Amino acid sequence: QQQVKQSPQSLIVQKGGISIINCAYENTAFDYFPWYQQFPGKGPALLIAIRPDVSEKKEGRFTISFNKSAKQFSLHIMDSQPGDSATYFCAARVPRIREGAQKLVFGQGTRLTINP
Amino acid sequence: AAGVIQSPRHLIKEKRETATLKCYPIPRHDTVYWYQQGPGQDPQFLISFYEKMQSDKGSIPDRFSAQQFSDYHSELNMSSLELGDSALYFCASSLGLAGVGIEQFFGPGTRLTVL
Repeated sequence: QQQVKQSPQSLIVQKGGISIINCAYENTAFDYFPWYQQFPGKGPALLIAIRPDVSEKKEGRFTISFNKSAKQFSLHIMDSQPGDSATYFCAARVPRIREGAQKLVFGQGTRLTINP
Repeated sequence: AAGVIQSPRHLIKEKRETATLKCYPIPRHDTVYWYQQGPGQDPQFLISFYEKMQSDKGSIPDRFSAQQFSDYHSELNMSSLELGDSALYFCASSLGLAGVGIEQFFGPGTRLTVL
Protein backbone atom coordinates (compact mmCIF):
# COMPACT_ATOMS: atom_id res chain seq x y z
CA GLN A 1 0.00 0.00 0.00
CA GLN A 2 1.50 3.25 -1.17
CA GLN A 3 1.18 5.81 1.61
CA VAL A 4 2.18 8.66 -0.68
CA LYS A 5 0.79 8.68 -4.20
CA GLN A 6 2.67 10.61 -6.85
CA SER A 7 1.69 11.64 -10.36
CA PRO A 8 2.42 11.73 -13.18
CA GLN A 9 4.73 8.76 -13.57
CA SER A 10 6.54 10.54 -16.39
CA LEU A 11 6.50 14.08 -17.67
CA ILE A 12 7.93 15.80 -20.72
CA VAL A 13 8.25 19.59 -20.69
CA GLN A 14 9.77 22.00 -23.12
CA LYS A 15 12.74 24.07 -22.05
CA GLY A 16 11.55 27.21 -20.29
CA GLY A 17 8.22 25.68 -19.36
CA ILE A 18 6.76 24.87 -15.94
CA SER A 19 7.02 21.31 -14.61
CA ILE A 20 4.37 20.30 -12.09
CA ILE A 21 4.45 17.10 -10.06
CA ASN A 22 1.70 16.21 -7.61
CA CYS A 23 1.54 14.10 -4.47
CA ALA A 24 -1.27 13.05 -2.18
CA TYR A 25 -1.20 11.39 1.22
CA GLU A 26 -3.62 9.94 3.75
CA ASN A 27 -1.76 9.97 7.04
CA THR A 28 -2.45 13.36 8.61
CA ALA A 29 0.27 12.69 11.16
CA PHE A 30 3.04 13.18 8.60
CA ASP A 31 5.00 16.22 9.77
CA TYR A 32 7.51 17.03 7.05
CA PHE A 33 7.38 16.78 3.27
CA PRO A 34 10.64 16.82 1.28
CA TRP A 35 11.23 16.51 -2.42
CA TYR A 36 14.25 14.64 -3.70
CA GLN A 37 15.91 14.75 -7.11
CA GLN A 38 17.66 11.63 -8.33
CA PHE A 39 19.89 11.17 -11.34
CA PRO A 40 20.51 7.66 -12.72
CA GLY A 41 22.83 5.66 -10.50
CA LYS A 42 23.01 8.42 -7.89
CA GLY A 43 21.55 8.91 -4.46
CA PRO A 44 18.47 11.08 -3.92
CA ALA A 45 19.44 14.71 -3.31
CA LEU A 46 17.26 16.89 -1.12
CA LEU A 47 15.75 19.63 -3.26
CA ILE A 48 13.26 21.48 -1.10
CA ALA A 49 11.02 20.64 1.85
CA ILE A 50 8.00 22.02 3.65
CA ARG A 51 6.21 21.61 6.96
CA PRO A 52 2.40 21.22 7.02
CA ASP A 53 1.86 24.59 8.72
CA VAL A 54 3.14 26.41 5.61
CA SER A 55 1.16 26.67 2.36
CA GLU A 56 4.01 27.54 0.04
CA LYS A 57 7.79 27.57 -0.02
CA LYS A 58 9.97 28.87 -2.79
CA GLU A 59 13.67 28.36 -3.38
CA GLY A 60 14.95 29.70 -6.65
CA ARG A 61 13.07 28.04 -9.49
CA PHE A 62 11.53 25.42 -7.20
CA THR A 63 8.27 25.94 -5.33
CA ILE A 64 6.28 23.60 -3.10
CA SER A 65 2.56 24.24 -2.76
CA PHE A 66 0.92 22.52 0.19
CA ASN A 67 -2.82 22.04 0.69
CA LYS A 68 -3.33 20.58 4.15
CA SER A 69 -7.12 20.22 3.90
CA ALA A 70 -6.84 18.32 0.62
CA LYS A 71 -3.80 16.37 1.84
CA GLN A 72 -1.95 17.23 -1.32
CA PHE A 73 1.29 18.92 -2.19
CA SER A 74 3.04 19.70 -5.42
CA LEU A 75 6.40 20.69 -6.83
CA HIS A 76 6.61 23.42 -9.44
CA ILE A 77 9.80 23.89 -11.43
CA MET A 78 9.80 27.23 -13.21
CA ASP A 79 11.83 27.90 -16.37
CA SER A 80 12.62 24.19 -16.64
CA GLN A 81 16.05 23.38 -18.03
CA PRO A 82 17.50 20.24 -19.66
CA GLY A 83 19.69 19.82 -16.58
CA ASP A 84 16.51 19.35 -14.53
CA SER A 85 15.88 16.06 -16.34
CA ALA A 86 15.87 13.50 -13.53
CA THR A 87 13.53 11.42 -11.40
CA TYR A 88 11.75 13.36 -8.67
CA PHE A 89 10.41 11.78 -5.51
CA CYS A 90 8.08 13.35 -3.03
CA ALA A 91 8.27 11.98 0.48
CA ALA A 92 6.61 12.29 3.84
CA ARG A 93 8.15 11.86 7.23
CA VAL A 94 6.64 9.59 9.81
CA PRO A 95 6.38 11.60 13.02
CA ARG A 96 8.91 10.97 15.71
CA ILE A 97 8.14 8.19 18.12
CA ARG A 98 11.66 8.27 19.44
CA GLU A 99 14.93 9.72 18.26
CA GLY A 100 16.10 8.29 14.98
CA ALA A 101 12.73 6.90 14.06
CA GLN A 102 11.79 9.53 11.50
CA LYS A 103 11.71 7.33 8.44
CA LEU A 104 10.63 8.69 5.09
CA VAL A 105 7.95 7.15 2.91
CA PHE A 106 8.34 7.97 -0.75
CA GLY A 107 6.03 8.47 -3.68
CA GLN A 108 6.51 6.30 -6.73
CA GLY A 109 8.64 8.87 -8.53
CA THR A 110 8.24 11.01 -11.65
CA ARG A 111 10.67 10.78 -14.51
CA LEU A 112 10.99 14.32 -15.82
CA THR A 113 12.41 15.04 -19.25
CA ILE A 114 13.06 18.61 -20.37
CA ASN A 115 13.34 18.90 -24.12
CA PRO A 116 15.78 21.54 -25.40
CA ALA B 1 30.86 19.96 2.50
CA ALA B 2 31.31 16.37 3.61
CA GLY B 3 28.63 13.97 2.43
CA VAL B 4 27.51 10.47 3.29
CA ILE B 5 30.03 7.88 2.16
CA GLN B 6 29.06 4.39 1.15
CA SER B 7 31.24 1.47 0.23
CA PRO B 8 31.57 -0.43 -1.91
CA ARG B 9 29.82 1.41 -4.72
CA HIS B 10 29.26 -1.77 -6.68
CA LEU B 11 29.08 -5.34 -5.49
CA ILE B 12 28.47 -8.55 -7.37
CA LYS B 13 27.63 -11.69 -5.45
CA GLU B 14 26.37 -15.17 -6.14
CA LYS B 15 23.14 -16.56 -4.72
CA ARG B 16 23.45 -17.72 -1.11
CA GLU B 17 26.57 -15.63 -0.54
CA THR B 18 26.88 -12.88 2.04
CA ALA B 19 27.49 -9.17 1.57
CA THR B 20 28.44 -6.31 3.86
CA LEU B 21 27.62 -2.72 2.98
CA LYS B 22 29.19 0.17 4.85
CA CYS B 23 27.94 3.67 5.51
CA TYR B 24 29.83 6.63 6.95
CA PRO B 25 27.44 9.44 7.94
CA ILE B 26 28.07 13.14 7.66
CA PRO B 27 30.33 14.24 10.54
CA ARG B 28 28.36 14.90 13.74
CA HIS B 29 25.27 13.13 12.41
CA ASP B 30 24.15 10.53 14.91
CA THR B 31 21.31 8.88 13.00
CA VAL B 32 21.61 6.48 10.08
CA TYR B 33 18.85 5.12 7.86
CA TRP B 34 19.07 2.30 5.32
CA TYR B 35 16.83 2.20 2.26
CA GLN B 36 16.52 -0.31 -0.58
CA GLN B 37 15.58 0.83 -4.09
CA GLY B 38 14.67 -1.73 -6.72
CA PRO B 39 14.83 -0.93 -10.44
CA GLY B 40 12.31 1.77 -11.27
CA GLN B 41 11.02 1.75 -7.70
CA ASP B 42 10.94 4.27 -4.88
CA PRO B 43 13.28 3.81 -1.91
CA GLN B 44 11.91 1.53 0.79
CA PHE B 45 12.94 1.99 4.41
CA LEU B 46 14.81 -0.94 5.94
CA ILE B 47 16.17 0.06 9.34
CA SER B 48 17.51 3.02 11.31
CA PHE B 49 19.88 3.66 14.18
CA TYR B 50 20.24 6.51 16.63
CA GLU B 51 23.23 6.74 18.93
CA LYS B 52 24.25 3.17 18.12
CA MET B 53 20.86 1.72 19.02
CA GLN B 54 18.30 0.41 16.57
CA SER B 55 15.45 2.88 16.55
CA ASP B 56 13.07 1.69 13.84
CA LYS B 57 12.62 -1.26 11.57
CA GLY B 58 10.88 -1.50 8.23
CA SER B 59 10.62 -4.18 5.59
CA ILE B 60 14.00 -5.71 6.30
CA PRO B 61 14.29 -9.48 5.74
CA ASP B 62 15.42 -11.64 8.64
CA ARG B 63 18.45 -12.56 6.52
CA PHE B 64 19.66 -8.97 6.90
CA SER B 65 21.14 -7.43 10.00
CA ALA B 66 22.69 -4.08 10.71
CA GLN B 67 24.44 -2.16 13.41
CA GLN B 68 25.87 1.25 14.16
CA PHE B 69 29.32 1.48 15.66
CA SER B 70 30.90 3.83 18.21
CA ASP B 71 32.16 6.12 15.42
CA TYR B 72 28.56 6.24 14.06
CA HIS B 73 29.32 4.37 10.89
CA SER B 74 26.88 1.61 10.08
CA GLU B 75 27.08 -1.74 8.35
CA LEU B 76 24.32 -3.70 6.67
CA ASN B 77 24.99 -7.43 6.60
CA MET B 78 23.10 -9.52 4.11
CA SER B 79 23.22 -13.31 4.16
CA SER B 80 21.81 -16.07 1.96
CA LEU B 81 21.51 -13.60 -0.88
CA GLU B 82 18.66 -14.04 -3.33
CA LEU B 83 18.22 -12.75 -6.86
CA GLY B 84 15.54 -10.40 -5.56
CA ASP B 85 18.06 -8.66 -3.32
CA SER B 86 19.60 -7.03 -6.38
CA ALA B 87 18.98 -3.34 -5.85
CA LEU B 88 20.49 -0.02 -4.92
CA TYR B 89 21.05 0.31 -1.20
CA PHE B 90 21.15 3.82 0.19
CA CYS B 91 22.27 5.07 3.51
CA ALA B 92 21.03 8.43 4.77
CA SER B 93 22.13 10.37 7.81
CA SER B 94 20.65 13.10 9.92
CA LEU B 95 20.79 14.66 13.35
CA GLY B 96 18.41 12.91 15.69
CA LEU B 97 18.01 15.68 18.23
CA ALA B 98 14.50 16.97 18.67
CA GLY B 99 13.79 19.97 16.46
CA VAL B 100 17.26 19.96 14.92
CA GLY B 101 18.46 18.82 11.52
CA ILE B 102 15.43 16.89 10.37
CA GLU B 103 16.72 16.59 6.83
CA GLN B 104 18.00 13.23 5.70
CA PHE B 105 20.99 13.33 3.41
CA PHE B 106 21.54 10.35 1.17
CA GLY B 107 24.75 8.71 0.14
CA PRO B 108 25.57 7.68 -3.44
CA GLY B 109 24.38 4.14 -2.83
CA THR B 110 25.75 0.64 -3.27
CA ARG B 111 24.55 -1.24 -6.32
CA LEU B 112 24.24 -4.91 -5.37
CA THR B 113 23.88 -7.46 -8.12
CA VAL B 114 23.12 -11.04 -7.17
CA LEU B 115 23.80 -13.60 -9.89
